[in-house]
Amino acid sequence: GAVVSQHPSRVICKSGTSVKIECRSLDFQATTMFWYRQFPKKSLMLMATSNEGSKATYEQGVEKDKFLINHASLTLSTLTVTSAHPEDSSFYICSAKAPSRENEQYFGPGTRLTVT
Amino acid sequence: AQSVTQPDIHITVSEGASLELRCNYSYGATPYLFWYVQSPGQGLQLLLKYFSGDTLVQGIKGFEAEFKRSQSSFNLRKPSVHWSDAAEYFCAVGTALYNYGQNFVFGPGTRLSVLP
Repeated sequence: GAVVSQHPSRVICKSGTSVKIECRSLDFQATTMFWYRQFPKKSLMLMATSNEGSKATYEQGVEKDKFLINHASLTLSTLTVTSAHPEDSSFYICSAKAPSRENEQYFGPGTRLTVT
Repeated sequence: AQSVTQPDIHITVSEGASLELRCNYSYGATPYLFWYVQSPGQGLQLLLKYFSGDTLVQGIKGFEAEFKRSQSSFNLRKPSVHWSDAAEYFCAVGTALYNYGQNFVFGPGTRLSVLP
């Protein structure tokens, strides 16, 4: 149980375009999802916390107009990178928290974004 | 706020040798402690966690970790390393107030290389 999927696993897009990454909890309802960004050979950096039905909470330094997060249902959160630039190229990982397990989060496999 | 340090950026061990990865945390109350492993280009896999009770925790893949409150440490150990253990290892600490993402912090990671 507690499986989280991400789609796509890899995506290449051109500068100036937008790309959407989906994060789904497959076998549980996730009231809270998190979006992380990981630079090469670095640790995970929390970008935002997404609560179902409400606006996401962004960490300091993360542009909310550039990284749009929508948590429309208890099993789906999306991250849209708008007007992508090469410096947005990174590994994006989502995680989801199950209400019945307050202190654990389950990670998706990640999405590799390359902006050309 | 809590913080996590992993003093070793990179460790190299020979296959069959024992392993210890260090993790130190800073938090005023009892923390929730985790170890994750990440293979290149992959998401995070939970190795083990400590919430309460027995301070020696057994995990998957033959790993164990010991919580030492007096030393604020949660070191990961394995008696005999396999070549497939080569990966990045992240220690993380969470608090009881977990809905907000900043209450879950990752360490910088330790890269493990295994010599044949």
